[in-house]
Amino acid sequence: GQSLEQPSEVTAVEGAIVQINCTYQTSGFYGLSWYQQHDGGAPTFLSYNALDGLEETGRFSSFLSRSDSYGYLLLQELQMKDSASYFCAVEGGGFKTIFGAGTRLFVKA
Amino acid sequence: EAGVAQSPRYKIIEKRQSVAFWCNPISGHATLYWYQQILGQGPKLLIQFQNNGVVDDSQLPKDRFSAERLKGVDSTLKIQPAKLEDSAVYLCASSLSGAGANEAFFGQGTRLTVV
Repeated sequence: GQSLEQPSEVTAVEGAIVQINCTYQTSGFYGLSWYQQHDGGAPTFLSYNALDGLEETGRFSSFLSRSDSYGYLLLQELQMKDSASYFCAVEGGGFKTIFGAGTRLFVKA
Repeated sequence: EAGVAQSPRYKIIEKRQSVAFWCNPISGHATLYWYQQILGQGPKLLIQFQNNGVVDDSQLPKDRFSAERLKGVDSTLKIQPAKLEDSAVYLCASSLSGAGANEAFFGQGTRLTVV
């Protein structure tokens, strides 16, 4: 089967850096995605890693280690608007995309 | 570019009633997904279509849920009969392809309340 684990909640202060980890178990693996979802909104795509290493997109970076079945999302220069839920999602066997339970990020002033 | 359209936005029904949701994906997107998101949880994949064929429906409760994708474009998801535990947001998403770095675009969802 497929499963993903990520912390349920993270709290950080404005301007800080926060890392949200994701470990996964899957039969077949094509890539790891990250999505952001504000309360009442739809998930929006942040990043995708198919190969090991770090991908940087502005204030957000995402890392993947296929051998460790592990990835993380790094958010820098945190802003209040970054308060949201963050989901890792694995594209596994059959190109099926499965989401984790989500990490709720609280950014404090 | 128009996004993924879903309707209705909200629906309240009594248990044992039936309900249908509609999704119009982004033009040209071959892959269409239906997810169920219960409050406080991550989206759970119900069914994935590639064009008008089903790629995966292993988590679709087939005794009460059904879905189709007409001519590989629009899709409908039906629940009959509904149970209280079906109360959730039903999200439709589409992507160019099910494989690789093609991001999934989500609609705003249909919030279903079963009373």
